[in-house]
Amino acid sequence: DQQVKQNSPSLSVQEGRISILNCDYTNSMFDYFLWYKKYPAEGPTFLISISSIKDKNEDGRFTVFLNKSAKHLSLHIVPSQPGDSAVYFCAASFAGNNRKLIWGLGTSLAVNP
Amino acid sequence: GAGVSQSPSNKVTEKGKDVELRCDPISGHTALYWYRQSLGQGLEFLIYFQGNSAPDKSGLPSDRFSAERTGGSVSTLTIQRTQQEDSAVYLCASSRAGGVGEQYFGPGTRLTVT
Repeated sequence: DQQVKQNSPSLSVQEGRISILNCDYTNSMFDYFLWYKKYPAEGPTFLISISSIKDKNEDGRFTVFLNKSAKHLSLHIVPSQPGDSAVYFCAASFAGNNRKLIWGLGTSLAVNP
Repeated sequence: GAGVSQSPSNKVTEKGKDVELRCDPISGHTALYWYRQSLGQGLEFLIYFQGNSAPDKSGLPSDRFSAERTGGSVSTLTIQRTQQEDSAVYLCASSRAGGVGEQYFGPGTRLTVT
C-alpha cells in the first residue's frame, strides 16, 4: 500500500518555464513533508520541506505547497533550468514513526534548453 | 565538512555469501537510517538508530538482515546468505536528531547478487 504517491513518472518542461511536481498521501498522521532531488549514481539531496502547520514554504526558485484537506502537496520550480533535470522524490514522516521517511516512487524531470 | 560516506560503492557477490556494507554518518549526527532502493521501486526504510536507544528494526525484510552502530557513529549493515532479490542500492542517511529535519544521504552501495 503506497502511502505516498507520485502519479507522474516523468515530466518535461522548457527552460525558463514553471515545473510543477505533484505528490499525494494517504496517511493523515504525516506532519512533515520533504522533497529530495536525485541524480544518477548519487544519494538523494534534500531540497525543501514543509511542516503540516504551514501551507507554503519558499526557498529561492523552489516553493512547496501543502493542501492538507486534499492530502496533496506540490513542488514548483520557477524558472526551470537544465540543471534541474533529475528525479524528484516526495517523502513524508511523523514523530510516532521515528521520523523514518516514507517515499514516493519519484518523478523524472527533464528541462529542455 | 564531510558528508555521509558509504563503502563499498559497488559490491558484486554470489548468492549465499554474506556481505557487509558500511556507513560513516556526518559527525555529530545522532540519528542514522538505512534505506534501500530496488530496481523500479521507491526507497524502502530498513532500520533506524538514535543515540543509545534500541534501534527500530521494523523495516528489515528478513532475519538475514542485521545492522549495528558502534560508538554512536559508524554503522554496518550485514546481509547473510544473500539472495538475488537483495540486489538493490543501499542508502544510509543521518540527521542531527531523530526529530523533524532533513536527512542527509550518502552515495549508496550498489549490491548485485549473482
